[in-house]
Amino acid sequence: EVQLVESGGGLVHPGRSLRLSCAASGFTFKDYAMHWVRQAPGKGLEWVSGIRWNSDIIDYADSVKGRFTISRDNAKNSLYLQMNSLRAEDTAFYYCVKDRVGGSYLDAFDIWGQGTVVAVS
Amino acid sequence: QSALTQPASVSGSPGQSITLSCTGSSSDIGGYDFVSWYQQHPGKAPKLIIYDVSHRPSGVSNRFSGSKSGNTASLIISGLQPEDEAEYYCGSYRGSSPYVFGTGTKVIVL
Repeated sequence: EVQLVESGGGLVHPGRSLRLSCAASGFTFKDYAMHWVRQAPGKGLEWVSGIRWNSDIIDYADSVKGRFTISRDNAKNSLYLQMNSLRAEDTAFYYCVKDRVGGSYLDAFDIWGQGTVVAVS
Repeated sequence: QSALTQPASVSGSPGQSITLSCTGSSSDIGGYDFVSWYQQHPGKAPKLIIYDVSHRPSGVSNRFSGSKSGNTASLIISGLQPEDEAEYYCGSYRGSSPYVFGTGTKVIVL
């Protein structure tokens, strides 16, 4: 079964840091671009960051650029999001998301984790 | 990075067809065929139901179909069923931005 499991969320004070992790299973992780998408309470979806299969392309939304860092470890089938200088507006559910097609980037997101909550207060 | 524009809600009776719109610009919807649609039930993760404007992933009902004209994409739900009541988001590649979601539409089954 294809699965993404996020961890690392929690309650943190403004200005502090948090590192999210995503464990992938059921597919060849190293072949796919991966992303983080967030959803603030009662709000819509916001793409946060993406990383291509070999890490040669990395992108960020303007709202997190300079504060968040995405990375991956293909040997461990894992995706990460280092979040620094957290703000109240970063409070959201954070989803780990898989690109639909191997080798593509930002085609569509076909597998979503259940999400991990980040609360900045 | 402004979101794509979707109506806040669309309603219909069981068995009817409804159309959800998603309006962007030539920098996203109008410039690429990487438009996708996601269905989200309360408390659940989103689910991909349409990719590349009009393609359905395996296992998604053929009652869902997608199209695009200019800078506007559309999701058509035919034969509306109670389980279709959910929030629907469009999404599109946007080049340098590089990805944007829509504001979301709540589908209400009367």
